[in-house]
Amino acid sequence: EVQLVESGGGLVQPGGSLRLSCAASGFTFSNYEMNWVRQAPGKGLEWLSYISGNDNNRYYADSVKGRFSISRDNAQNSLYLQMNSLRAEDTAVYYCAKVVAQLPRFWGQGTLVTVSS
Amino acid sequence: DIQMTQSPSTLSASVGDRVTITCRASQSISSWLAWYQQKPGKAPKLLIYKASTLESGVPSRFSGYGSGTEFTLTISSLQPDDFATYYCQQYNSLWTFGQGTKVEIK
Repeated sequence: EVQLVESGGGLVQPGGSLRLSCAASGFTFSNYEMNWVRQAPGKGLEWLSYISGNDNNRYYADSVKGRFSISRDNAQNSLYLQMNSLRAEDTAVYYCAKVVAQLPRFWGQGTLVTVSS
Repeated sequence: DIQMTQSPSTLSASVGDRVTITCRASQSISSWLAWYQQKPGKAPKLLIYKASTLESGVPSRFSGYGSGTEFTLTISSLQPDDFATYYCQQYNSLWTFGQGTKVEIK
């Protein structure tokens, strides 16, 4: 059974940093592209970042380019999102998602990040 | 960047109603359009991909149509489990979601 479990969320001050993790199980992690998607409270979904299975390609939404960095450790079956220079508008639930045939078909339960002083 | 615009933002309907949600892309995305359903506190669930292909296990009352820049999601007979928020998503060039359509009980 595919499982994705995000962790690392919490309360952080504006300008601070946070590193999110996504632990994957139930599939051969290195074979799949992965994404991060977020959802601000009461708002819609926003795609943030993509990473290929072999880590050869990484892409970012303009809203986080230069501040966020996606990475993966295939030996540890883990996906990461390093978030720097955090702003109040980064407050959201952050989801990792496994991509199958170009689309996120499996999602984690999400981890809440709150940026506030 | 490709922008996705959904309408309406909120839709009030009754069980048994036929409902249609529209999604427009800022440029042609061919048929690279997906629809998701999301319930409060839950991750989104894929319903339809490539504009009109039903994901495995999704009830046949859901259908999708369109290509280029105009797309629709139709629920032929609304069921109690269908009250939720629906998002379109383009995957022609990276990903972009629409802002969502909340289907609420009339």
